[in-house]
Amino acid sequence: EAQVTQNPRYLITVTGKKLTVTCSQNMNHEYMSWYRQDPGLGLRQIYYSMNVEVTDKGDVPEGYKVSRKEKRNFPLILESPSPNQTSLYFCASSPDRAGANVLTFGAGSRLTVL
Amino acid sequence: AQSVAQPEDQVNVAEGNPLTVKCTYSVSGNPYLFWYVQYPNRGLQFLLKYITGDNLVKGSYGFEAEFNKSQTSFHLKKPSALVSDSALYFCAVSTSGTYKYIFGTGTRLKVLA
Repeated sequence: EAQVTQNPRYLITVTGKKLTVTCSQNMNHEYMSWYRQDPGLGLRQIYYSMNVEVTDKGDVPEGYKVSRKEKRNFPLILESPSPNQTSLYFCASSPDRAGANVLTFGAGSRLTVL
Repeated sequence: AQSVAQPEDQVNVAEGNPLTVKCTYSVSGNPYLFWYVQYPNRGLQFLLKYITGDNLVKGSYGFEAEFNKSQTSFHLKKPSALVSDSALYFCAVSTSGTYKYIFGTGTRLKVLA
Protein backbone atom coordinates (compact mmCIF):
# COMPACT_ATOMS: atom_id res chain seq x y z
CA GLU A 1 0.00 0.00 0.00
CA ALA A 2 1.31 3.45 -0.93
CA GLN A 3 1.79 5.38 2.26
CA VAL A 4 3.72 7.82 4.40
CA THR A 5 4.66 6.39 7.79
CA GLN A 6 5.49 8.53 10.79
CA ASN A 7 6.82 7.45 14.18
CA PRO A 8 6.13 7.90 16.98
CA ARG A 9 2.44 8.71 16.75
CA TYR A 10 2.38 10.09 20.28
CA LEU A 11 5.23 11.39 22.40
CA ILE A 12 5.52 13.23 25.68
CA THR A 13 8.96 14.62 26.45
CA VAL A 14 10.64 17.25 28.57
CA THR A 15 12.26 20.53 27.64
CA GLY A 16 15.73 20.11 26.20
CA LYS A 17 15.65 16.37 25.53
CA LYS A 18 16.57 15.80 21.90
CA LEU A 19 14.08 13.83 19.84
CA THR A 20 13.59 12.66 16.29
CA VAL A 21 10.33 12.05 14.47
CA THR A 22 10.83 9.67 11.58
CA CYS A 23 9.04 9.82 8.24
CA SER A 24 9.25 7.25 5.48
CA GLN A 25 7.44 6.96 2.14
CA ASN A 26 7.26 3.98 -0.20
CA MET A 27 6.17 5.79 -3.37
CA ASN A 28 9.57 6.90 -4.67
CA HIS A 29 8.48 10.51 -4.26
CA GLU A 30 11.07 13.23 -4.73
CA TYR A 31 9.36 15.91 -2.65
CA MET A 32 8.85 15.60 1.10
CA SER A 33 7.74 18.15 3.64
CA TRP A 34 7.02 18.64 7.34
CA TYR A 35 4.09 20.63 8.70
CA ARG A 36 2.85 21.49 12.14
CA GLN A 37 -0.84 21.91 12.88
CA ASP A 38 -1.97 24.23 15.64
CA PRO A 39 -5.55 25.30 16.49
CA GLY A 40 -6.52 28.47 14.66
CA LEU A 41 -3.30 28.48 12.63
CA GLY A 42 -3.92 25.60 10.24
CA LEU A 43 -0.92 23.81 8.76
CA ARG A 44 2.38 25.63 8.58
CA GLN A 45 5.36 24.32 6.68
CA ILE A 46 8.52 23.67 8.70
CA TYR A 47 10.98 22.29 6.15
CA TYR A 48 10.80 20.67 2.77
CA SER A 49 13.08 18.62 0.56
CA MET A 50 13.14 18.59 -3.22
CA ASN A 51 15.35 15.50 -3.43
CA VAL A 52 18.14 13.66 -1.66
CA GLU A 53 20.52 16.06 0.06
CA VAL A 54 18.41 19.08 -0.96
CA THR A 55 16.37 20.75 1.78
CA ASP A 56 15.06 24.24 2.48
CA LYS A 57 13.25 26.17 5.17
CA GLY A 58 9.53 26.59 5.23
CA ASP A 59 7.62 29.23 7.15
CA VAL A 60 8.42 28.11 10.72
CA PRO A 61 11.86 26.40 10.74
CA GLU A 62 13.17 27.75 14.06
CA GLY A 63 14.05 25.00 16.50
CA TYR A 64 13.95 22.21 13.94
CA LYS A 65 16.45 20.37 11.76
CA VAL A 66 15.97 17.91 8.92
CA SER A 67 18.07 15.69 6.73
CA ARG A 68 17.45 13.76 3.52
CA LYS A 69 20.13 11.14 3.10
CA GLU A 70 17.87 8.65 1.37
CA LYS A 71 14.96 9.30 -0.94
CA ARG A 72 12.43 7.49 1.21
CA ASN A 73 13.29 9.03 4.61
CA PHE A 74 12.94 12.56 5.92
CA PRO A 75 13.36 12.74 9.71
CA LEU A 76 12.47 15.82 11.75
CA ILE A 77 14.89 16.59 14.57
CA LEU A 78 14.18 18.73 17.60
CA GLU A 79 17.62 19.34 19.15
CA SER A 80 16.33 21.06 22.28
CA PRO A 81 12.53 20.91 22.41
CA SER A 82 10.59 23.68 24.11
CA PRO A 83 6.94 23.84 25.18
CA ASN A 84 6.04 26.03 22.20
CA GLN A 85 6.87 23.05 19.98
CA THR A 86 3.96 21.12 21.46
CA SER A 87 1.93 20.44 18.35
CA LEU A 88 0.60 17.92 15.87
CA TYR A 89 3.17 17.19 13.17
CA PHE A 90 2.55 15.85 9.69
CA CYS A 91 4.95 14.55 7.09
CA ALA A 92 3.83 14.62 3.47
CA SER A 93 5.24 13.67 0.09
CA SER A 94 4.50 14.17 -3.59
CA PRO A 95 6.04 12.94 -6.85
CA ASP A 96 8.04 16.13 -7.38
CA ARG A 97 7.80 19.80 -6.59
CA ALA A 98 4.51 21.16 -5.28
CA GLY A 99 2.48 23.02 -7.86
CA ALA A 100 -0.17 20.71 -9.27
CA ASN A 101 0.84 17.61 -7.34
CA VAL A 102 -1.27 16.08 -4.62
CA LEU A 103 0.34 15.63 -1.23
CA THR A 104 0.12 12.28 0.53
CA PHE A 105 0.13 12.75 4.30
CA GLY A 106 1.22 10.57 7.16
CA ALA A 107 -1.14 9.92 10.06
CA GLY A 108 0.48 12.55 12.26
CA SER A 109 2.67 12.67 15.36
CA ARG A 110 1.31 14.40 18.44
CA LEU A 111 4.16 15.84 20.46
CA THR A 112 3.88 17.28 23.97
CA VAL A 113 6.87 19.07 25.48
CA LEU A 114 6.66 19.63 29.23
CA ALA B 1 2.61 36.83 -0.75
CA GLN B 2 0.40 33.80 -1.14
CA SER B 3 -2.43 33.37 1.34
CA VAL B 4 -5.57 31.36 1.89
CA ALA B 5 -8.56 32.38 4.01
CA GLN B 6 -11.23 30.12 5.40
CA PRO B 7 -13.54 32.62 7.08
CA GLU B 8 -15.62 30.13 9.07
CA ASP B 9 -14.13 28.16 11.94
CA GLN B 10 -17.18 25.91 11.98
CA VAL B 11 -20.11 25.16 9.71
CA ASN B 12 -23.18 23.34 10.97
CA VAL B 13 -25.63 21.77 8.56
CA ALA B 14 -28.50 19.32 8.88
CA GLU B 15 -28.14 15.92 7.27
CA GLY B 16 -29.60 15.93 3.76
CA ASN B 17 -29.14 19.68 3.31
CA PRO B 18 -26.59 21.18 0.92
CA LEU B 19 -23.31 22.32 2.42
CA THR B 20 -20.76 24.97 1.48
CA VAL B 21 -17.32 25.50 3.00
CA LYS B 22 -15.76 28.76 1.91
CA CYS B 23 -12.22 29.46 0.73
CA THR B 24 -10.63 32.55 -0.80
CA TYR B 25 -7.05 32.90 -1.92
CA SER B 26 -4.43 35.40 -2.95
CA VAL B 27 -1.51 34.47 -5.23
CA SER B 28 0.70 35.92 -7.91
CA GLY B 29 0.09 34.03 -11.09
CA ASN B 30 -2.24 31.16 -11.80
CA PRO B 31 -3.32 29.22 -8.73
CA TYR B 32 -3.50 25.52 -8.13
CA LEU B 33 -6.22 24.95 -5.55
CA PHE B 34 -6.87 21.96 -3.35
CA TRP B 35 -9.26 20.69 -0.73
CA TYR B 36 -8.18 18.17 1.88
CA VAL B 37 -10.21 16.54 4.66
CA GLN B 38 -9.00 15.42 8.06
CA TYR B 39 -10.91 12.87 10.12
CA PRO B 40 -10.12 12.46 13.84
CA ASN B 41 -6.69 10.92 14.51
CA ARG B 42 -5.96 10.70 10.81
CA GLY B 43 -3.76 12.55 8.35
CA LEU B 44 -5.14 14.83 5.68
CA GLN B 45 -6.75 13.15 2.68
CA PHE B 46 -7.03 14.67 -0.77
CA LEU B 47 -10.57 15.53 -1.93
CA LEU B 48 -10.19 17.48 -5.16
CA LYS B 49 -8.08 20.01 -7.02
CA TYR B 50 -8.35 22.72 -9.63
CA ILE B 51 -5.44 23.13 -12.01
CA THR B 52 -6.96 24.49 -15.20
CA GLY B 53 -10.00 24.06 -17.41
CA ASP B 54 -13.57 23.59 -16.20
CA ASN B 55 -14.31 25.81 -13.23
CA LEU B 56 -16.46 23.13 -11.58
CA VAL B 57 -14.34 20.34 -10.19
CA LYS B 58 -15.75 17.06 -8.91
CA GLY B 59 -13.97 15.02 -6.30
CA SER B 60 -14.26 12.19 -3.83
CA TYR B 61 -17.34 11.33 -1.72
CA GLY B 62 -19.68 13.50 -3.83
CA PHE B 63 -17.88 16.77 -3.13
CA GLU B 64 -17.35 19.45 -5.73
CA ALA B 65 -15.81 22.90 -5.80
CA GLU B 66 -16.18 25.91 -8.03
CA PHE B 67 -13.22 28.03 -9.06
CA ASN B 68 -14.16 31.70 -9.38
CA LYS B 69 -11.28 33.76 -10.68
CA SER B 70 -12.93 37.16 -10.33
CA GLN B 71 -13.83 36.51 -6.69
CA THR B 72 -10.61 34.55 -6.03
CA SER B 73 -12.68 31.84 -4.39
CA PHE B 74 -12.76 28.05 -4.38
CA HIS B 75 -15.74 27.04 -2.25
CA LEU B 76 -16.35 23.38 -1.44
CA LYS B 77 -19.89 22.10 -1.91
CA LYS B 78 -21.99 19.00 -1.59
CA PRO B 79 -25.66 18.75 -2.58
CA SER B 80 -26.70 16.53 0.34
CA ALA B 81 -24.66 16.31 3.53
CA LEU B 82 -24.08 13.08 5.45
CA VAL B 83 -23.28 12.73 9.15
CA SER B 84 -20.09 10.95 8.05
CA ASP B 85 -18.95 14.16 6.28
CA SER B 86 -18.30 15.68 9.71
CA ALA B 87 -14.57 16.47 9.74
CA LEU B 88 -12.01 19.26 9.45
CA TYR B 89 -11.59 20.67 5.95
CA PHE B 90 -8.53 22.50 4.64
CA CYS B 91 -8.18 24.60 1.53
CA ALA B 92 -4.68 24.95 0.06
CA VAL B 93 -3.07 26.90 -2.77
CA SER B 94 0.11 26.48 -4.75
CA THR B 95 1.52 27.84 -8.00
CA SER B 96 3.52 26.47 -10.90
CA GLY B 97 7.12 25.65 -10.11
CA THR B 98 6.80 26.33 -6.39
CA TYR B 99 7.88 24.08 -3.58
CA LYS B 100 5.25 25.41 -1.20
CA TYR B 101 1.63 24.88 -0.42
CA ILE B 102 -0.18 27.45 1.69
CA PHE B 103 -2.97 26.03 3.81
CA GLY B 104 -5.97 27.78 5.30
CA THR B 105 -6.75 27.57 9.00
CA GLY B 106 -9.35 24.87 8.49
CA THR B 107 -13.14 24.72 8.83
CA ARG B 108 -14.82 22.19 11.06
CA LEU B 109 -17.93 20.78 9.42
CA LYS B 110 -20.61 19.35 11.67
CA VAL B 111 -23.47 17.51 10.04
CA LEU B 112 -26.37 17.05 12.43
CA ALA B 113 -28.66 14.03 12.22
